[in-house]
Amino acid sequence: DTGVSQDPRHKITKRGQNVTFRCDPISEHNRLYWYRQTLGQGPEFLTYFQNEAQLEKSRLLSDRFSAERPKGSFSTLEIQRTEQGDSAMYLCATLNLAVLNEQFFGPGTRLTVL
Amino acid sequence: AQTVTQSQPEMSVQEAETVTLSCTYDTSESNYYLFWYKQPPSRQMILVIRQEAYKQQNATENRFSVNFQKAAKSFSLKISDSQLGDTAMYFCAFMKQGRGYSTLTFGKGTMLLVSP
Repeated sequence: DTGVSQDPRHKITKRGQNVTFRCDPISEHNRLYWYRQTLGQGPEFLTYFQNEAQLEKSRLLSDRFSAERPKGSFSTLEIQRTEQGDSAMYLCATLNLAVLNEQFFGPGTRLTVL
Repeated sequence: AQTVTQSQPEMSVQEAETVTLSCTYDTSESNYYLFWYKQPPSRQMILVIRQEAYKQQNATENRFSVNFQKAAKSFSLKISDSQLGDTAMYFCAFMKQGRGYSTLTFGKGTMLLVSP
């Protein structure tokens, strides 16, 4: 499979626990994005990387959220001290700068915080 | 900041018929891209069609076409000969043009149900 992959697909956790999600991009896609999608809403931008550099963070990204892309390949998104309001689908998308205007999305990680 | 508005939360159409989904947007930018993405139930989002704002000609992709009205800031999607597999959430999205910009701003989506 040469598409964007995300792991896990589903995560159920208790409030206050830490969770980490992983995104593996399409190879040679140097930009990687994280979006959050709550029920009945469109995806909202969280942050993005160009290679290993985190270039932009949304105001939605509180200090409990941290994202990394250490070698410019896969990325992780960690949420510390989860809250019920963090329950959402977390989407990863990647893009090839040579074909600037199309982002390819992964299947998402659905987080449920009890 | 850009905003994207989809005023139809749900639409229904019968197989083989034509349906149009509406989208309006607000921006002060003159160069940008517009997209329609499809998100089938429990499946990942895929691009349906894109439009560059500098192009006057409306984009088409097989059964999918857009009506892009730049002055009115309107970008509707027409699906012809609807198929059961078209059942999905459809999102309209905006992106500023330029190498430094590539973040998508999405509308809230329109759920399209195609029935036999």
